Amino acid sequence: GAGVSQSPSNKVTEKGKDVELRCDPISGHTALYWYRQSLGQGLEFLIYFQGNSAPDKSGLPSDRFSAERTGGSVSTLTIQRTQQEDSAVYLCASRLDRGTEKLFFGSGTQLSVL
Amino acid sequence: SQQGEEDPQALSIQEGENATMNCSYKTSINNLQWYRQNSGRGLVHLILIRSNEREKHSGRLRVTLDTSKKSSSLLITASRAADTASYFCATANTGTASKLTFGTGTRLQVTL
Repeated sequence: GAGVSQSPSNKVTEKGKDVELRCDPISGHTALYWYRQSLGQGLEFLIYFQGNSAPDKSGLPSDRFSAERTGGSVSTLTIQRTQQEDSAVYLCASRLDRGTEKLFFGSGTQLSVL
Repeated sequence: SQQGEEDPQALSIQEGENATMNCSYKTSINNLQWYRQNSGRGLVHLILIRSNEREKHSGRLRVTLDTSKKSSSLLITASRAADTASYFCATANTGTASKLTFGTGTRLQVTL
């Protein structure tokens, strides 16, 4: 596609429910990142996928968080048993390959846990 | 954890004035990038400066990098109301060059 696409743009859920957030990177981009941004804060790194390499999961805050990237393209971030502190904007970004550093961001998913 | 800290946290200027934002970081870097964010959603890449560069220009943007002080500055000249946004620095650290670590951001307000 023309840009990084994230869905849904907004998600309201109840505490304890599971949620799935989707990211469609730019076609041909081999690297994909998930970040989390709490209100008025900077971006917190969650996970990074590069091609077929094992993902860098060092930023995932707990085992309730997981992510997959199927076929080297679409990625899904899953949060199980959501808590109120999970409320944030979840941003996805993609990058062409290792030789380029510039990230292209989607518009994010605003997650609200009630 | 945050690698970069931007200063100031918030900046309010009038249209036509210059805006300067600073970023400090903690570890050795491969490159430093600046991004802009409107309305708390997606970020847009502005400019990248490599660790062996000291200054870079792009339109009304000027970025400097001082690796000895582990700091960078972003200067926006002749600011416009449309420049109102949050600005973030992001570092690609040596050893983990593929992972970009973002700072806390500067909220810039440009008034008419």
